[in-house]
Formats: sequence, C-alpha cells, structure tokens
Amino acid sequence: QKEVEQNSGPLSVPEGAIASLNCTYSDRGSQSFFWYRQYSGKSPELIMFIYSNGDKEDGRFTAQLNKASQYVSLLIRDSQPSDSATYLCAVTTSGSARQLTFGSGTQLTVLP
Amino acid sequence: GAVVSQHPSWVICKSGTSVKIECRSLDFQATTMFWYRQFPKQSLMLMATSNEGSKATYEQGVEKDKFLINHASLTLSTLTVTSAHPEDSSFYICSARTPPGQHKNYGYTFGSGTRLTVV
Repeated sequence: QKEVEQNSGPLSVPEGAIASLNCTYSDRGSQSFFWYRQYSGKSPELIMFIYSNGDKEDGRFTAQLNKASQYVSLLIRDSQPSDSATYLCAVTTSGSARQLTFGSGTQLTVLP
Repeated sequence: GAVVSQHPSWVICKSGTSVKIECRSLDFQATTMFWYRQFPKQSLMLMATSNEGSKATYEQGVEKDKFLINHASLTLSTLTVTSAHPEDSSFYICSARTPPGQHKNYGYTFGSGTRLTVV
C-alpha cells in the first residue's frame, strides 16, 4: 500500500485559472508536509512547506493541511504556463530518520 | 543558503562497468544523506539513508552490494553503481538533511541529479 497518494493527472487548466492538487497520506505520525515542483530532467524544487492544520499562503500558492483527514492540498492561483510541471507531495516519516516519502506526482499543464 | 553539488549530471557507461556519483554539501555539514532513484514518469523512490561515519540503511529491495554508499565525511557522500546493467538506467538524486537555520529548504536540500544511461 502506497504511503502517499496523489491524483496522477494529467491536470490541465487554462492560464489564469486556479489549479488544485491533492494528496493523502497514511502515516498518522507524519509531521511535515511538502510540495515540490519538478521539471522534466530536473531535481525537485521546494514550493511550500506546512506542518500545522489550516492554510498557508505564499504568493500565488496556498497549501492546506487537515491532519484529521490525512489530507494536504496545493492551490495555485492565476496559473501561468511556466507552472506546467509535475508536482510532488512529500511527507516526513515518523521516527528519528525523518525520511521524505514522495507521492507519485501530478502532472500539471497550464494552457495559454 | 544550503547547496548540494551533485556530479556528474549525466553519464553513459557500458554494461558491466561501475559508476560513481558524488554529492557534496558546499556550505554546511550533511550528517544525513538520502539517495533516491527516479524512473521516467515515476516518483522519487528512496534507495538508502546514509549517516556520516556509519553504514547506510537500505530500503527493502535495494541491493546493498550493487549500490555502494560511502559517507566518510560530513561534506561528501558517494553512490557507486557496480556492474551496471541497462535496467539501472535512471535518474539518481541525493538529498541532504539541512541543519536548523537553513530555512529556505526547510530541512532537505536536493542535488541536481545524475542521469545514468547504461548501454
């Protein structure tokens, strides 16, 4: 059973729209939650980090965390073609190692 | 901010040969390094966790004799793919645990990745 689940997509939205990306996780002991953006052939780039229930906003990006539902999401407002990439949800494992476990990623395409 | 330099960025090798990938933390001490493998259109899969000065911990299904990890110093970790075969062709990425205070990366700094092609 996968520990971090994401809608694989692909997800297409028109330029200027809101893109909504979702992620669920199975480890109730997870404490930190990350959204990374990955362009083809490149390393992941951190977009957002959240560890408290509720919303966290940074520019056009808003991360939402609901630990009771084991759910984390990422909203991208005013989507731009440059936002087209694969978005990876990652969760730290409980325990001392605090490894990152990644979801399978959601491929987002923003259409001009 | 924290930077991890990963080399080479790409490598092509013949089947049966060995390839070494290096990750260096440039401005901080990386006590813990994670090594990931990513096949096309798939997510990052953790291969192993290495701590400076001790043996690496490998994930289930990863052959420790094939993927040799050395973390002999606080700034250098290496992954050697021994007797490489075409099925080892993949994108390998290292990630160092970033010490407190390096807030930009919130705890994890990734190398730029190495594209390995075995022919």
